[in-house]
Amino acid sequence: EAGVTQFPSHSVIEKGQTVTLRCDPISGHDNLYWYRRVMGKEIKFLLHFVKESKQDESGMPNNRFLAERTGGTYSTLKVQPAELEDSGVYFCASSQRSRATTEAFFGQGTRLTVV
Amino acid sequence: AQSVTQPDIHITVSEGASLELRCNYSYGATPYLFWYVQSPGQGLQLLLKYFSGDTLVQGIKGFEAEFKRSQSSFNLRKPSVHWSDAAEYFCARVGGSQGNLIFGKGTKLSVKP
Repeated sequence: EAGVTQFPSHSVIEKGQTVTLRCDPISGHDNLYWYRRVMGKEIKFLLHFVKESKQDESGMPNNRFLAERTGGTYSTLKVQPAELEDSGVYFCASSQRSRATTEAFFGQGTRLTVV
Repeated sequence: AQSVTQPDIHITVSEGASLELRCNYSYGATPYLFWYVQSPGQGLQLLLKYFSGDTLVQGIKGFEAEFKRSQSSFNLRKPSVHWSDAAEYFCARVGGSQGNLIFGKGTKLSVKP
């Protein structure tokens, strides 16, 4: 069974450009989470999808970030326009059920560098 | 507010030595707690979890953790470290009913031959 897959693994863009990150969850997992780790800081929750619906987007830093999950399968996270402080590692995770006791499986992350 | 603290940013141990990584949590009588490991180039892998019951939890790769309510701690231990254990370790707790996680800053483990 394929795990959570994220594309690209690395991205270097200039300030002001747009970048789109993609996450393919484990097949059959309705729940998809995005997290971000800025260098030296904690991994922080960004948002949570249940199928195609945004269940919780309380962690999204500002309106330059747009997440979608059309059809309840893969998800994209777009940053437009990118700023220097957006640099970090973006993780995606998926789980079968949105319960506190359900294990979430993580992808390898996308390292975003904004220069 | 709920939080997780990992006081050690970087730890170096000799191969074969014992290991203890510290984790403290705040807020909540019985939180749901996890330890994840990230090896270079890999995603986060779940080592073990604690929800309730026996406070000593066994995980994969020979790791265990003990939940101590009185100390608000969930320290990770391994009796004998292998070079392949060199990685970054994250303690986490569930932040809400929908399963989103609150992480500590991570502890990077280096293993000396």
